[in-house]
Amino acid sequence: AQTVTQSQPEMSVQEAETVTLSCTYDTSESNYYLFWYKQPPSRQMILVIRQEAYKQQNATENRFSVNFQKAAKSFSLKISDSQLGDTAMYFCAFMKLGTGGGADGLTFGKGTHLIIQP
Amino acid sequence: GAGVSQSPRYKVAKRGQDVALRCDPISGHVSLFWYQQALGQGPEFLTYFQNEAQLDKSGLPSDRFFAERPEGSVSTLKIQRTQQEDSAVYLCASSLTSGAYNEQFFGPGTRLTVL
Repeated sequence: AQTVTQSQPEMSVQEAETVTLSCTYDTSESNYYLFWYKQPPSRQMILVIRQEAYKQQNATENRFSVNFQKAAKSFSLKISDSQLGDTAMYFCAFMKLGTGGGADGLTFGKGTHLIIQP
Repeated sequence: GAGVSQSPRYKVAKRGQDVALRCDPISGHVSLFWYQQALGQGPEFLTYFQNEAQLDKSGLPSDRFFAERPEGSVSTLKIQRTQQEDSAVYLCASSLTSGAYNEQFFGPGTRLTVL
């Protein structure tokens, strides 16, 4: 079974600052996928960024980037130039390959509540 | 286009009642997932469909939980003889193909409260 740990229940930073959310996971799988999802107060979960475990290059999406350390089983999210709209719950998630190497359910961490202060 | 929709948005049930929660995925999406999110927790995987086939139901907590997707589109999660511990938000997500890397698009959830 896989586990995902987010050790920061809540973080608060000033607008325009850079913030890093931590995530570690435990698995015996060699190939898998990692995701960061954002859940604003309206509760609809939105994908922020994703990473394939076999790719060494860290994924980036505009202001969002990850630091993927496979050996350490670490997958942190960096948000640059933070904006008020970034205020939300952030969930780190793991997906092992399912039947035939396809999709399977996500295993989520408990989340980090990120607050961007004006 | 329309996103994933779920109904009802809120459901209050008395302990012991049966409930049915509906998910309308994005049109044409092959994969459909159900998750249970307790208050203050991350979502927990319940079950996964690829078209009408239920490929993984390992997360269903008991045999009181049953899910179906008979025509490969709309899905229903049924909970029989509801218990207080079933109180949670039930999230549905869909993705375009069966590929593992695909983005899962989530619905707004159904908040179930069992009294």
